[in-house]
Amino acid sequence: SQQGEEDPQALSIQEGENATMNCSYKTSINNLQWYRQNSGRGLVHLILIRSNEREKHSGRLRVTLDTSKKSSSLLITASRAADTASYFCATDKAAGNKLTFGGGTRVLVKP
Amino acid sequence: NAGVMQNPRHLVRRRGQEARLRCSPMKGHSHVYWYRQLPEEGLKFMVYLQKENIIDESGMPKERFSAEFPKEGPSILRIQQVVRGDSAAYFCASSPVARENEQFFGPGTRLTVL
Repeated sequence: SQQGEEDPQALSIQEGENATMNCSYKTSINNLQWYRQNSGRGLVHLILIRSNEREKHSGRLRVTLDTSKKSSSLLITASRAADTASYFCATDKAAGNKLTFGGGTRVLVKP
Repeated sequence: NAGVMQNPRHLVRRRGQEARLRCSPMKGHSHVYWYRQLPEEGLKFMVYLQKENIIDESGMPKERFSAEFPKEGPSILRIQQVVRGDSAAYFCASSPVARENEQFFGPGTRLTVL
């Protein structure tokens, strides 16, 4: 299996609820990033967390990183219909290095 | 500051033709990455370039695919003699020099091979 795997693969929630998705990886990393992709569109960078950081916030987003478990989670609070998208985690081993993506979590927020 | 630009956004080719995909990085960015995305899948790394240099091409198929990033002009991903399996979305990303590895993605080129 590949570096960076998201769980669950799909998530359906009501507007206003929180959405949590997880990402696991296999080898040591330098950074872990989360991206959003709306259907048929490009990727939007959400947040980057360094390997020496444990938690990071950006607006309604909260990312945690547990390097001992080689896992990260993305929490979207108070979800909105506009949050409907696929969410990908991506890892890199060093600055300037390629990103390795997981398969994504498809989130549907129902109004 | 314009974002990463890719063109064309959609490209249709018949089997055996050549496909040329262009990417202009963000202003001030000298690192370019190409990724491929098959339907319902994540992105897969293809190649990493800096101006006039290929730094890492470990994700590039050995045949038919090539990439360049000349001193002047956009980066080009070239696919010769396309086959149906090349149909995918191709994304370019760029990042600035001497900065943590936040990559900014373009809108992608969707290649369809008939």
